[in-house]
Amino acid sequence: AQTVTQSQPEMSVQEAETVTLSCTYDTSESDYYLFWYKQPPSRQMILVIRQEAYKQQNATENRFSVNFQKAAKSFSLKISDSQLGDAAMYFCAYRSAGTSGSRLTFGEGTQLTVNP
Amino acid sequence: ETGVTQTPRHLVMGMTNKKSLKCEQHLGHNAMYWYKQSAKKPLELMFVYNFKEQTENNSVPSRFSPECPNSSHLFLHLHTLQPEDSALYLCASSQDQGNTEAFFGQGTRLTVV
Repeated sequence: AQTVTQSQPEMSVQEAETVTLSCTYDTSESDYYLFWYKQPPSRQMILVIRQEAYKQQNATENRFSVNFQKAAKSFSLKISDSQLGDAAMYFCAYRSAGTSGSRLTFGEGTQLTVNP
Repeated sequence: ETGVTQTPRHLVMGMTNKKSLKCEQHLGHNAMYWYKQSAKKPLELMFVYNFKEQTENNSVPSRFSPECPNSSHLFLHLHTLQPEDSALYLCASSQDQGNTEAFFGQGTRLTVV
């Protein structure tokens, strides 16, 4: 079974600064997908960024980028130019490829605080 | 707004009550999920439905009974719950391919008294 680990229960960053959230995972599969979700106080889980394991190029979405290290099974999220609206719980998630209705396995989450 | 709607948003129920949670999506997705989110714990997958058929039951106690009458609706029937079942229950949907994201509802905050 796959597991996802987020070793940082809480992180804080100054507005406009950069912060990196860590995620590691364990799997025996070679093809899979990784996601970062954001859950603000409204409780709505929102996709931030996704990465296909077969792609070597790191995904980027505006101020959000990932550092995907497949051999190390590491998938960190970098938030640049942090904004107050980035404050939320961030979850790393894993999903098998090519399986119908396959589950998302989540990490424990990292609570990000953005200080003005 | 993600296109996945859950009702009610909050629910308080006694241990002898019977209640149901509802989830609805009109995104054309084929897979729907129930997750449980408790404080200080990762999201726990409870059930997976794919094309209305249950494809996964993650050892969930029988006091939780899912129902998927069609690809757009998913219910979670609750009966004789325990206080430790108090949590945020999240519904999600996705296309059935693995690389597509799951869209989540805003959850039902359940308190069992």
